[in-house]
Amino acid sequence: VQLVESGGGLVQPGKSLKLSCSASGFTFSSYGMHWIRQAPGKGLDWVAYISSSSGTVYADAVKGRFTISRDNAKNTLYLQLNSLKSEDTAIYYCARSLYYGYNWGQGVMVTVSS
Amino acid sequence: DVVLTQTPPTLLATIGQSVSISCRSSQSLLHSNGNTYLNWLLQRTGQSPQPLIYLVSKLESGVPNRFSGSGSGTDFTLKISGVEAEDLGVYYCMQFTHYPNTFGAGTKLELK
Repeated sequence: VQLVESGGGLVQPGKSLKLSCSASGFTFSSYGMHWIRQAPGKGLDWVAYISSSSGTVYADAVKGRFTISRDNAKNTLYLQLNSLKSEDTAIYYCARSLYYGYNWGQGVMVTVSS
Repeated sequence: DVVLTQTPPTLLATIGQSVSISCRSSQSLLHSNGNTYLNWLLQRTGQSPQPLIYLVSKLESGVPNRFSGSGSGTDFTLKISGVEAEDLGVYYCMQFTHYPNTFGAGTKLELK
């Protein structure tokens, strides 16, 4: 199982960014997927979930600003980040949802600053 | 949201010492299906979290058996029987019995 995030970087407040998570080593279309983030020096916060049938759930802190999606043909998970705030600065991890836990990617850094 | 309270926030240990970390939940983590979805993770410096224990007490593949988990309902414990240098890092409990999934604030294990 391999999960590789990309698309991070430095972005100004109010702008947008799209993260990708390329999956391999398993049948991507059969699994729900999560995004979890970790602000610098802080703990872990769950961000969003998409089921294998593309149903979605969001944390209150990002609802209406972030959109999780998936392309099963490309084995890729996405997170569209809009109206970014400084408090969205974090490492963003994608994770495969297992009935008993997660498989984690290595993470990608997003920095929101002017 | 379910709040997971981990204690202590920092743990100082010598190599070979046995240590325990507590994780207390604001709600019971017993799911209606009979499972308790409480896991333990280790995050070494600069790395992504690594699963250690799932469903309270089951060891992930490849995790040494010096790690053990116990508990039920709202009180859970991770024990390391004989700390080794590779065990240093931040330990998190996490629950996914209830949405949204939540994490404890972490316990940093350091060498004394």
